[in-house]
Amino acid sequence: DIQMTQSPSFLSASVGDRVTINCKASQNINRYLNWYQQKLGEAPKLLIYNANSLQTGIPSRFSGSGSGTDFTLTISSLQPEDVATYFCLQHNSWYTFGAGTKLELK
Amino acid sequence: QVQLQQSGAELVKPGSSVKISCKASGYTFTSYDMHWIKQQPGNGLEWIGWIYPGNGNTKYNQKFNGKATLTADKSSSTAYMQLSSLTSEDSAVYFCARGWPFAYWGQGTLVTVSS
Repeated sequence: DIQMTQSPSFLSASVGDRVTINCKASQNINRYLNWYQQKLGEAPKLLIYNANSLQTGIPSRFSGSGSGTDFTLTISSLQPEDVATYFCLQHNSWYTFGAGTKLELK
Repeated sequence: QVQLQQSGAELVKPGSSVKISCKASGYTFTSYDMHWIKQQPGNGLEWIGWIYPGNGNTKYNQKFNGKATLTADKSSSTAYMQLSSLTSEDSAVYFCARGWPFAYWGQGTLVTVSS
């Protein structure tokens, strides 16, 4: 089974900061990785698919990069509405989620 | 627009079963897999399995074999997940999500297993 190691598990940042969240796969998953945002009490929202493609309607401050085993979600300028938990999901072999990164405002 | 509307919260007793639903609208139900995902506080998210409503084919995460049973009713565009032999470990929020890239999710159904 493919394991996804997400870091950090908790992140505190200020409005306007550049924020990066990482996911590392236990084996090569090519670009079969998505990023999601989940706010409290809501369903997850797709931000990035296939590692670096921005989902329709998602602000351009969100971007994704990586391939193989190492992936990054970047928020270029943090906004108050970005407070949420973020997680990755791989689909190279079945489906495995990262453990999540809780992002809060400093 | 695509919508997935899940059934309401359930409080069930240990050892019993529960069946939750996910009604799809805004797209051709039989053309996309429907996936089910479990979310427990502190335990993150786990993929349970999928069903292809077009032909009823299913695939399960080995961990949920015997625990979850996925079905679909084409006439009502509704997917179902039955969970059996419930224990406290099954207490969680369960989501349905339309096939990869999981751009559409239901609102979640809270299942609480308690005597």
